[in-house]
Amino acid sequence: GENVEQHPSTLSVQEGDSAVIKCTYSDSASNYFPWYKQELGKRPQLIIDIRSNVGEKKDQRIAVTLNKTAKHFSLHITETQPEDSAVYFCAAFSRGGGNKLTFGTGTQLKVEL
Amino acid sequence: GAVVSQHPSRVICKSGTSVKIECRSLDFQATTMFWYRQFPKQSLMLMATSNEGSKATYEQGVEKDKFLINHASLTLSTLTVTSAHPEDSSFYICSVYDGTNYGYTFGSGTRLTVV
Repeated sequence: GENVEQHPSTLSVQEGDSAVIKCTYSDSASNYFPWYKQELGKRPQLIIDIRSNVGEKKDQRIAVTLNKTAKHFSLHITETQPEDSAVYFCAAFSRGGGNKLTFGTGTQLKVEL
Repeated sequence: GAVVSQHPSRVICKSGTSVKIECRSLDFQATTMFWYRQFPKQSLMLMATSNEGSKATYEQGVEKDKFLINHASLTLSTLTVTSAHPEDSSFYICSVYDGTNYGYTFGSGTRLTVV
């Protein structure tokens, strides 16, 4: 089955700096890669996603890049703000894998004033 | 994506008892729902795929006799934790995949504490 690795596990940045979180996946059949933000005790919230036919996608301060050949994708947050502090999860989706989402291990992002 | 409702949000039960968690798809007829478990400071781990009208598909290592899943209608899947033990204390989240544009919606989660 799919295996998703995520790094780093914790990330601390100063307000206004950029943050980058990286993920790798194993199943070449995976074709959809969402990123979620989860606050303590709450459900994951989709913040951005990318499909396998696209190399990069941007939404205001958030961007995601995908390298299908290398099977890795990254989340980029620019001009970080304290409210960006949360746990971020990457995930990979494969229709052939029963429409399952496989999550990365998570990154605790802390944006310091 | 679909609108998903999950209840209860929190439950405390005694060891040895059973707890039922409900996941409802309010605006979409879901033939498939998913149940995840999340331990503190860990990722979401898929427990099982709930299939309407048939048996659930469990992930490796998940005890099907302990975590009973029933998906009797297109709008409701239930997860029953039987003979609960403290190590079952966790955050349980359901999700619905609506099959359109990769629509994947999560319930609000259930915090289970077994004492």
